[in-house]
Amino acid sequence: QKEVEQNSGPLSVPEGAIASLNCTYSDRGSQSFFWYRQYSGKSPELIMFIYSNGDKEDGRFTAQLNKASQYVSLLIRDSQPSDSATYLCAVRGLEAAGNKLTFGGGTRVLVKP
Amino acid sequence: EAQVTQNPRYLITVTGKKLTVTCSQNMNHEYMSWYRQDPGLGLRQIYYSMNVEVTDKGDVPEGYKVSRKEKRNFPLILESPSPNQTSLYFCASRGQGAIGNEKLFFGSGTQLSVL
Repeated sequence: QKEVEQNSGPLSVPEGAIASLNCTYSDRGSQSFFWYRQYSGKSPELIMFIYSNGDKEDGRFTAQLNKASQYVSLLIRDSQPSDSATYLCAVRGLEAAGNKLTFGGGTRVLVKP
Repeated sequence: EAQVTQNPRYLITVTGKKLTVTCSQNMNHEYMSWYRQDPGLGLRQIYYSMNVEVTDKGDVPEGYKVSRKEKRNFPLILESPSPNQTSLYFCASRGQGAIGNEKLFFGSGTQLSVL
């Protein structure tokens, strides 16, 4: 079983709709959770991070964390064609694990005009 | 401009010919790391370094070496490359500490092909 799992997609979303991405993780002791966006041929860039259960909003992005169920999600509201990219979920375990950041395989999102 | 600089951007080589991919950051970051990215597998950590002269293995260290003689530089060395090391490689860095300092800064990537 992969430590961090994502649906590879592609997730096809009409422009203006909400894109919903999910990520599950296996390490119950995980502390920090991140969403990176990666455009084709480019390097990943951080768009959201969350540490506590619940929702965290930043502009059109909302991260949701549920530690009991071991999942973290990302909502993209009012999706734009410029949101078409691969979204990588990343999870950091306990500090004793050496600052290890484990990435999921990514979900490819296509926003259609 | 704060950045992580990787070179080269593209590299084609042959099996067994030693190569080095350079990585340099200008943000005085303590933590640096190397990842490889393969389709469907996401980013997998090769090696990381918590500070100068402190390095440790990640998930897929076999066939790779690293060194951290200076804070800004963290080269990745392939002593005897093999075709299964054909991949997209990223160097990344971040500052130390927990909350508020977790953002990884990535280099632009090195596409390596081993024939």
